[in-house]
Amino acid sequence: ETGVTQTPRHLVMGMTNKKSLKCEQHLGHNAMYWYKQSAKKPLELMFVYSLEERVENNSVPSRFSPECPNSSHLFLHLHTLQPEDSALYLCASSQDTGGNSPLHFGNGTRLTVT
Amino acid sequence: DQQVKQNSPSLSVQEGRISILNCDYTNSMFDYFLWYKKYPAEGPTFLISISSIKDKNEDGRFTVFLNKSAKHLSLHIVPSQPGDSAVYFCAASLYYGGSQGNLIFGKGTKLSVKP
Repeated sequence: ETGVTQTPRHLVMGMTNKKSLKCEQHLGHNAMYWYKQSAKKPLELMFVYSLEERVENNSVPSRFSPECPNSSHLFLHLHTLQPEDSALYLCASSQDTGGNSPLHFGNGTRLTVT
Repeated sequence: DQQVKQNSPSLSVQEGRISILNCDYTNSMFDYFLWYKKYPAEGPTFLISISSIKDKNEDGRFTVFLNKSAKHLSLHIVPSQPGDSAVYFCAASLYYGGSQGNLIFGKGTKLSVKP
C-alpha cells in the first residue's frame, strides 16, 4: 500500500466516549501532521511531528491528544469531545517540515460527535 | 482575520475553456505558494507551487501566476476537463525559515467543468 492511510473513514461518537484516529504513511517521510476541516472554514493545522517529536501545537484543546510512536504512524486520541468538534480530520505527511515540501494527505476521518 | 483568501466559493466553466482560480493574501512575508486539489471523499493532493522569486510556473495544463505587488496569485487550467471538477485550495508558507507548520490555507473554490 502506498501513500497516507487513515482509519476509520467515518466515526460517530458520544461526548463521553474515548476513541482514536489512526494514520499511517508509506512514503518514508519524516514529518506528520493533523489538520481539521470544519464546514466553511479553511484547513486548520492542529499538530506537527518531525522525527517523532512534536514541533507544533496550535492551541488545540487537551481533549485532543496526539501520539507519534514512530515516523510512519500517527494517532489522535479523542475524549470528552463536544458537538462542535464534528469535522473532517486529515492526516498528512511530508519529506520534512521545510516550507517547500508538499504535503501528502490521507482521505480523512469524518467525525460526528453526538 | 484570514491571511489567505479565496473569494469565489464556486466557479463553473465549459469543457475546453480556461478556468481561472484566484487567491489573495495579506502577509507580505509569505514567499512560497501552493495549490491543492480535493475530490469528494478524498484528501487534498498537491498540484503546483511557486516561489516568490518567480512570477509564473507552468506544469502541463496548469499555470500559476504570482503578482507580489498585488499579493495575488491565480491558477489557470487550460483546457479545462470534466475531471478537473474539484475543490481547489490555495496555500501560503514561509519557504526560508518556515515550515509546513506555517502553511496557511484558503477556504477553497469549487470548480465545476461542464461537458
